[in-house]
Amino acid sequence: EIVLTQSPATLSFSPGERATLSCRASQSISNFLAWYQHKPGQAPWLLIYDASNRATGVPARFSGSGSGTDFTLTISSLEPEDFAVYYCQHRSNWPPSITFGQGTRLEMK
Amino acid sequence: QVQLVQSGAEVKMPGASVRVSCKASGYTFTDYYIHWVRQAPGQGLEWMGRINPNIGGTNYAQSFQGRVTMTNDTSISTAYMELSRLKSDDTAVYYCARGAPSVYARVASPDYWGQGTLVTVSS
Repeated sequence: EIVLTQSPATLSFSPGERATLSCRASQSISNFLAWYQHKPGQAPWLLIYDASNRATGVPARFSGSGSGTDFTLTISSLEPEDFAVYYCQHRSNWPPSITFGQGTRLEMK
Repeated sequence: QVQLVQSGAEVKMPGASVRVSCKASGYTFTDYYIHWVRQAPGQGLEWMGRINPNIGGTNYAQSFQGRVTMTNDTSISTAYMELSRLKSDDTAVYYCARGAPSVYARVASPDYWGQGTLVTVSS
């Protein structure tokens, strides 16, 4: 079973700064990794799929990179609305399953 | 536009069952998988399984095998998730979400999500 580790659990930044979030897989998962933003009381929002592809409607300040076991979500210049919890997520075709990391909370400094 | 609208909050006793519905609109319901994901208070997201509405085929997470049943009614574009033998730690917000095209066996990261349904298990 693949385990996704997101560290640290909380990051503090100011608006306008660049934020880099990390996700590490317990074994190689190719590029089968996505990133979601989740705010309280809202549904999760797909930001990045297959490691580096922005989903429809996602601002260009969000970018994803990595392959194998190490992945990164970068927010180039934080906007006030970007402060939320971010989850990485692995999709497996066999057996069919989805696994989430435990999340990184991005808080305003 | 694609929308998934879920049923309202539920309060259940331990040992009971709950059924949450998810009505799809804005696309052809049978063309895409529906996934179910939950979030317990203060916890992260947990995948429960998925259903292919075209054929009714399901894949369940091992931790829910034997307790979860996913079904759908194509005539009303609605998917259902039933969880039985409820325990207090099943208290969570349950989400449905749209997955890969149903013609494929592969798994895709869900793109559109429902608003969530709070299920509270308490005596």
